[in-house]
Amino acid sequence: QSVLTQPPSVSAAPGQKVTISCSGSTSNIANNYVYWYQQVPGTAPRLVIYDNNKRPSGIPDRFSGSKSGTSATLGITGLQTGDEADYYCGTWDSSLSAVVFGGGTKLTVL
Amino acid sequence: EVQLVDSGGGVVRPGGSLRLSCAASGFTFDDYGMTWVRQAPGKGLEWVSGINWNGGSIGYADSVKGRFTISRDNAKNSLFLQMNSLRAEDTALYYCARVNDPFSYSRYFDYWGQGTPVTVSS
Repeated sequence: QSVLTQPPSVSAAPGQKVTISCSGSTSNIANNYVYWYQQVPGTAPRLVIYDNNKRPSGIPDRFSGSKSGTSATLGITGLQTGDEADYYCGTWDSSLSAVVFGGGTKLTVL
Repeated sequence: EVQLVDSGGGVVRPGGSLRLSCAASGFTFDDYGMTWVRQAPGKGLEWVSGINWNGGSIGYADSVKGRFTISRDNAKNSLFLQMNSLRAEDTALYYCARVNDPFSYSRYFDYWGQGTPVTVSS
């Protein structure tokens, strides 16, 4: 069981918007930065959001991140079939002294 | 261009050992922390271990503490993971990744290797 909780799956039609939640606690999300990684099946993960809401170069502004209290959210607008992937949230857990990930959310673009 | 090339994976019996390597290029290696993350077949990401730029700060997941040892050779731009007393539950694809901070391993992972597979089976 993962320290961070994500929904197993979400889906939406092309062009629509989707959000993926990540729930944690005061020892992780509430007091540390949250990161989001995209993993297309068969490939290595790729960073899409860092420091709660910043986008690395090359990541389109359709991707956004936010954090409030012990939860964080990844938003993707203008969905494309190329966005189909597993998405993982991650952060530092101060109690465990470890990096922790969510269990992952499979995004399906219908 | 930043490149991380993982190697050293293979099939090993329970109780055996394996040493993974990660060859880095395209950036100043000792300006960054490094980390290992694994992914069991069909499962999610699991952080394994991290190391800061000079090896002065190191951390492990509880699941591997006392069995795995992370190290780095900045002169050879290389990261290593020595895995001892391997168990079936260590079977996974092991990724090395660059940490965007020289002084810790707790920040975000901005570049990843392609992964090297480890299978622990009798």
